[in-house]
Amino acid sequence: TQLLEQSPQFLSIQEGENLTVYCNSSSVFSSLQWYRQEPGEGPVLLVTVVTGGEVKKLKRLTFQFGDARKDSSLHITAAQPGDTGLYLCAGIIQGAQKLVFGQGTRLTINP
Amino acid sequence: GAGVSQSPSNKVTEKGKDVELRCDPISGHTALYWYRQRLGQGLEFLIYFQGNSAPDKSGLPSDRFSAERTGESVSTLTIQRTQQEDSAVYLCASSLNRITEAFFGQGTRLTVV
Repeated sequence: TQLLEQSPQFLSIQEGENLTVYCNSSSVFSSLQWYRQEPGEGPVLLVTVVTGGEVKKLKRLTFQFGDARKDSSLHITAAQPGDTGLYLCAGIIQGAQKLVFGQGTRLTINP
Repeated sequence: GAGVSQSPSNKVTEKGKDVELRCDPISGHTALYWYRQRLGQGLEFLIYFQGNSAPDKSGLPSDRFSAERTGESVSTLTIQRTQQEDSAVYLCASSLNRITEAFFGQGTRLTVV
């Protein structure tokens, strides 16, 4: 059973379109992170959210942490081919120690 | 070094052999994680070390898997009597503490033939 469920698992869209990917759990997280992984590389951190309802922007990427700290979303505006990759959410369950990952959303942006 | 270093980068082994994978974390990072990533999949948690606390081994898939860490430095992941289903990329990550950013190595690609 996945503690963090990501959807969709695969997404292929055209350059210039907008998209949203989701990360959901039945558990409360003390913090949640989004990573991007490119082929042959390890994941690289994009953002950390800590406060319920928090919104963070990174250029064309907008990250939101749910009010109850059980879910998060990543919205990309005007997607570019360089956004292609595996997007992973990860979090630490409240009261726990280890960082757990979702199964990822594999995003392909077609020119 | 500046980042997390893993070795070897690639390992091909025969079924039934033992393999040892190494991870050198960023100096000063107290937390160290091992994950397994099968082709096209997400990250599967294996084991977590935090300082001098007992490691969280809850993700190890069988007793053929074990890991050690010497203090807050190098960690080794050992897979005994390898099976074909062990083929995957094994990723190591370290962080300053349990809630800060995890920095990943480039992984060891293990192929069991």
